[in-house]
Amino acid sequence: KAGVTQTPRYLIKTRGQQVTLSCSPISGHRSVSWYQQTPGQGLQFLFEYFSETQRNKGNFPGRFSGRQFSNSRSEMNVSTLELGDSALYLCASSLGGRETEAFFGQGTRLTVV
Amino acid sequence: SQKIEQNSEALNIQEGKTATLTCNYTNYSPAYLQWYRQDPGRGPVFLLLIRENEKEKRKERLKVTFDTTLKQSLFHITASQPADSATYLCALYTGGFKTIFGAGTRLFVKA
Repeated sequence: KAGVTQTPRYLIKTRGQQVTLSCSPISGHRSVSWYQQTPGQGLQFLFEYFSETQRNKGNFPGRFSGRQFSNSRSEMNVSTLELGDSALYLCASSLGGRETEAFFGQGTRLTVV
Repeated sequence: SQKIEQNSEALNIQEGKTATLTCNYTNYSPAYLQWYRQDPGRGPVFLLLIRENEKEKRKERLKVTFDTTLKQSLFHITASQPADSATYLCALYTGGFKTIFGAGTRLFVKA
């Protein structure tokens, strides 16, 4: 079956702009989690959605937001981009229960200039 | 504060040897812990899960231990191969549908 698909793969934006990233989970998976990965910080948890509801979120400013649609596809949005937002953004899908394996997409590489 | 620590320095070993990676955590009581592998430019790939009431878990050449008293997990790759070269991440389920990751340890296996 198809894996987790993230679009776009690469993105260059200017400070102050906003950006929307998309994640299509594996068919049948209802949970989508988003992570920011930077060389110094590793993977930082952004938020988790299940059946269109945000069940948890990490310690990121309100400029970072997300949503999930009825088909489980998810988007995250970053407004008023800052240079420090440059990172690899990864989404992971799973069935959503405890002890379920997370399947990651290849990520979106965002560069803010 | 809550922290997950993995060896920040890369681990270099010779082919055929056993690689041992460490994951330490503080101020968490995870129900389970996972290990993932990440190759450059790709997302992490799940390897193993070990529960808090399990001491050891094996899968082929991989072995994971979990000591909730020491708050430590060890990840072993036996008979290592150059193809095992990658970054290895430990991840803790902290409850509330939230999994947090360590920064990872880079492993280089030389032929």
